[in-house]
Amino acid sequence: EAQVTQNPRYLITVTGKKLTVTCSQNMNHEYMSWYRQDPGLGLRQIYYSMNVEVTDKGDVPEGYKVSRKEKRNFPLILESPSPNQTSLYFCASSAEAGVSYNEQFFGPGTRLTVL
Amino acid sequence: SQQGEEDPQALSIQEGENATMNCSYKTSINNLQWYRQNSGRGLVHLILIRSNEREKHSGRLRVTLDTSKKSSSLLITASRAADTASYFCATWKTSGSRLTFGEGTQLTVNP
Repeated sequence: EAQVTQNPRYLITVTGKKLTVTCSQNMNHEYMSWYRQDPGLGLRQIYYSMNVEVTDKGDVPEGYKVSRKEKRNFPLILESPSPNQTSLYFCASSAEAGVSYNEQFFGPGTRLTVL
Repeated sequence: SQQGEEDPQALSIQEGENATMNCSYKTSINNLQWYRQNSGRGLVHLILIRSNEREKHSGRLRVTLDTSKKSSSLLITASRAADTASYFCATWKTSGSRLTFGEGTQLTVNP
């Protein structure tokens, strides 16, 4: 089944404790992206990747890191989480980078709480 | 404010009625997409309309695009309780490689 998976789905952590949220897609998509969703603010893009080893900042990259060593994986790293990073996070992928006529496929979301 | 703003923020209708949601945006776009999100879950793509298209249909969905007014509308006909969800428009700018989402419209369809 074609899908985007994220792990963990729920995470409660404390300020400053490094964490990684994994994202994997099995559709051989070139483009992958991370979003956070907050009430009243909609979805805001954190980072995106056009292909392996190519990443770029979105609208709200501060406090986050990403890497794209393999085509299928795009982990989101919070080196020192803070309470303002409490949010619902989504990973998404789409077929061809540079071709905008593609829908994005979303993962199920990771609900992160930073105490 | 964000590229892509939906109106209204919330809409409550009865089953069988039509639901219309609007989206406005600020810059030139390559295409505009509509997504649906059931509470707390991932977004699902509904329909894409390109900048050179004016109207598109998919089942009970009808999307229009007016590039001169920088606006789009999503019409859901003969709504069902299962259509209850948040609906987001998203734009892909002509000069960019990112999809930018609006804040969404929360649709409630009462049985």
